[in-house]
Amino acid sequence: SQTIHQWPATLVQPVGSPLSLECTVEGTSNPNLYWYRQAAGRGLQLLFYSVGIGQISSEVPQNLSASRPQDRQFILSSKKLLLSDSGFYLCAWSGQSGRKNIQYFGAGTRLSVL
Amino acid sequence: AQKVTQAQTEISVVEKEDVTLDCVYETRDTTYYLFWYKQPPSGELVFLIRRNSFDEQNEISGRYSWNFQKSTSSFNFTITASQVVDSAVYFCALATSSGNTPLVFGKGTRLSVIA
Repeated sequence: SQTIHQWPATLVQPVGSPLSLECTVEGTSNPNLYWYRQAAGRGLQLLFYSVGIGQISSEVPQNLSASRPQDRQFILSSKKLLLSDSGFYLCAWSGQSGRKNIQYFGAGTRLSVL
Repeated sequence: AQKVTQAQTEISVVEKEDVTLDCVYETRDTTYYLFWYKQPPSGELVFLIRRNSFDEQNEISGRYSWNFQKSTSSFNFTITASQVVDSAVYFCALATSSGNTPLVFGKGTRLSVIA
């Protein structure tokens, strides 16, 4: 069966520090991968998605970047965090066949920028 | 452009009451998919159901049921005999037929079930 892992679960970082959040998927190949952010009490905002290695689409220009160095690995980064980067970050994957547009989510990372 | 509207921001019910969460969508595509996800307090989004635009049959799964009506562009979700464990934020979402495009999510409805 397929599983998705996100880490860390919680992170507290000072303003101006770098960020690296990692997401990996097991049990499937060539998944579509997604990064979302959810501010407190708000809806989901799509940040990036990827349909293959090295292919990244950015939905919102901002302080963040994403990379996909391996087929089932998706990394969210920032060189200098802002206070507004605080939020709940969710990684998701969807398959390439069958019920291909159902997205399955990781447990999320709660980021507090102080 | 595609859009999903969940007009109910928060709903509070007493346990065992029935509750309906509304979802209205906009799309120009003739083939599309609609989804409901549940986000419990732990934060992880849990997939509940997917429905394609050609299948207007209502679906029932235990205490959950979904009413898809293309004529009103709605995909409403009803919980019968609600329980405290149903307390969560529920998201409705829309996708085109291509499969590679991200889901468009509504802003969510926070459901609180009071014992």
